[in-house]
Amino acid sequence: GQNIDQPTEMTATEGAIVQINCTYQTSGFNGLFWYQQHAGEAPTFLSYNVLDGLEEKGRFSSFLSRSKGYSYLLLKELQMKDSASYLCAVDRTGGFKTIFGAGTRLFVKA
Amino acid sequence: DTAVSQTPKYLVTQMGNDKSIKCEQNLGHDTMYWYKQDSKKFLKIMFSYNNKELIINETVPNRFSPKSPDKAHLNLHINSLELGDSAVYFCASSPGVTGNTIYFGEGSWLTVV
Repeated sequence: GQNIDQPTEMTATEGAIVQINCTYQTSGFNGLFWYQQHAGEAPTFLSYNVLDGLEEKGRFSSFLSRSKGYSYLLLKELQMKDSASYLCAVDRTGGFKTIFGAGTRLFVKA
Repeated sequence: DTAVSQTPKYLVTQMGNDKSIKCEQNLGHDTMYWYKQDSKKFLKIMFSYNNKELIINETVPNRFSPKSPDKAHLNLHINSLELGDSAVYFCASSPGVTGNTIYFGEGSWLTVV
């Protein structure tokens, strides 16, 4: 089967750093996506990791360890607009089927 | 221009009714999807089409029938609506091969009363 776990909610302070973890168990793993979804809106792409290691993109970084079935999204210099749900998603080999986790709701407070 | 557009955005209907949601993408992608997001915000794939052909059907009740007249359109028809069908339905598209970003429509909020 397949399973994706991430915390349900997190709270952090504006200007701080927050790390959102994701663990997964799946067959046919190819890579891992992170998407951001603001309330009432569609998910939008943040990052995609295929190889182990950290990939940095501005204030957001994403890490992958294939051997451990583990990823995290790191958000630096938090802003109020970063309050959203962050969805971890597994990209499976063969294409056509990306499996999403339940998402982590991040609340950024002043 | 909206890349993936779906209509209607909001839909309130009674149990037992039949309704359709339309979706179109102008990105030239080969693959289109329907996802369902329930009240717990869990985003679950329902169907995947590649070049008008059904690729994935994730144990969705056969009251749900997708139709793809061409690779730019994927419509969703739902028969005999039930209370549990209330959710947000997202249409999406991607180039189709592994590792490509999925682009979502704005969602259709379906409420069955």
